[in-house]
Amino acid sequence: EVRLVESGGGFIHPGGSLRLSCAASGFPFGDFSMNWVRQAPGKGLEWVAYIRESRGAIYYADSVKGRFTISRDNAENSLYLQMDSLRHDDTAVYYCARDWSYHFDNWGQGTLVTVSS
Amino acid sequence: QSVLTQPASVSGSPGQSVTISCTGTSSDVGRYGLVSWYQQRPGKVPKLMIYEVTKRPSGVSNRFSGSKSGNTASLTISGLQAEDEADYYCCSYARVTTFLFGNGTKVTVL
Repeated sequence: EVRLVESGGGFIHPGGSLRLSCAASGFPFGDFSMNWVRQAPGKGLEWVAYIRESRGAIYYADSVKGRFTISRDNAENSLYLQMDSLRHDDTAVYYCARDWSYHFDNWGQGTLVTVSS
Repeated sequence: QSVLTQPASVSGSPGQSVTISCTGTSSDVGRYGLVSWYQQRPGKVPKLMIYEVTKRPSGVSNRFSGSKSGNTASLTISGLQAEDEADYYCCSYARVTTFLFGNGTKVTVL
C-alpha cells in the first residue's frame, strides 16, 4: 500500500522558515517524481513544486520561486520542502503527492502551515 | 500563473448527469493530453478520478468520464449519487508552468 506521511507543519511568523518532510513507503520511491501541492483554508488546490525521480529536474510555481526549495533523499524514502521568507499567503495545508505520468495518483494527509504575526 | 476556469458550482438530482467544464489555453489544456480530475470530499484528501483526459484509475466508478475539445476539458458524472457530492478540480500539465489547477467546482446532489 502506498503511504505518504507529511510532517513539519506548524505556526510561524512572517519572514520565518520551516522545513516540511514527507515519508514515503509501499512503493519504490526512487522511481517516481514527486510534488508538493497546497490548499489555503477554504480555497482550491495550488501546485507548488516538482522534483524528478533522479533529482535531475526541479520546477516551482511562480508564487514560491526563490523562497522554497524542494529536495529528496531516495535512500531515506523522503521528500522535503524548505520554506523561507514565509508570508501570510503561504498559510495552507501542504500535501506531498506522487507523480505518475504527470498526474497525482497518491496524496498524503497533509500538514498545516500557519503564517501569522 | 493563471488557473484553469471551472464553474463554481453545478447541481443535479440523483440519477441525473452533470458535466463540469475546465477551460485553459492552447499552452496547457489544448496542447497536452495530460488533464486530470480530482474529487475532494469535505475534510478529505484529493482523490484522482480521471487522468490523461479520459482514463480512469482502478477502483473509480465508470460513472465518471472525461473528454476534451480544443482548450476545454470536461468531467461528466452519470447516474449522480449522494456520495458524489464534493469539490472537483481539474489539472493540466503546462510545461513551463508545469501544472495548473482549476479553481474548483462544487457538485451538489439535490
